[in-house]
Amino acid sequence: EAGVAQSPRYKIIEKRQSVAFWCNPISGHATLYWYQQILGQGPKLLIQFQNNGVVDDSQLPKDRFSAERLKGVDSTLKIQPAKLEDSAVYLCASSPRLAGGTGELFFGEGSRLTVL
Amino acid sequence: AQKVTQAQTEISVVEKEDVTLDCVYETRDTTYYLFWYKQPPSGELVFLIRRNSFDEQNEISGRYSWNFQKSTSSFNFTITASQVVDSAVYFCALSERNTGNQFYFGTGTSLTVIP
Repeated sequence: EAGVAQSPRYKIIEKRQSVAFWCNPISGHATLYWYQQILGQGPKLLIQFQNNGVVDDSQLPKDRFSAERLKGVDSTLKIQPAKLEDSAVYLCASSPRLAGGTGELFFGEGSRLTVL
Repeated sequence: AQKVTQAQTEISVVEKEDVTLDCVYETRDTTYYLFWYKQPPSGELVFLIRRNSFDEQNEISGRYSWNFQKSTSSFNFTITASQVVDSAVYFCALSERNTGNQFYFGTGTSLTVIP
């Protein structure tokens, strides 16, 4: 079974530029998450989707971050304009359980963003 | 308030030693789940174990064992006879039923096993 796929693995941009990350979850997984992991910290939830609907985006900085999950499969996370403090690894995870379920999360390898 | 606390930032042990990684959690929910994940240098978080709040039975899987104690809100992870391949960052996480099972991660413990 293929795992969670993310791209690009690495991205370096200058502040105020924009960037987009892509995630393809495990086939059939209803729930998809984007996490931000700053160096030395644990992952922090940015947004949670169930199918193509948003379950929780309370911690997403909506003035600069946006995310969508078209057709309830792939998802993109965009940052525009980027700030220095956005330098982090952006992790995508999926779960076969619906929001409110109890399943573990399956993570991709992450997209490492460096903002100069 | 931090829902999951991993007080040990970094631990170094010599190969074949046993090591315990501590995890303390905070929740008011009666139904919750605790997890341990391993993050090797490649970056992908790998699921290790899930426990629910109604099952305090300790679990052993090979060299790994977990001690869940609700009385002290702890879910500690022990690696017996550590190996170099165990070197990674380990995260403890909490998921509460009342918050739609949003995951709260600790800050992680970086384990280095010295050959």
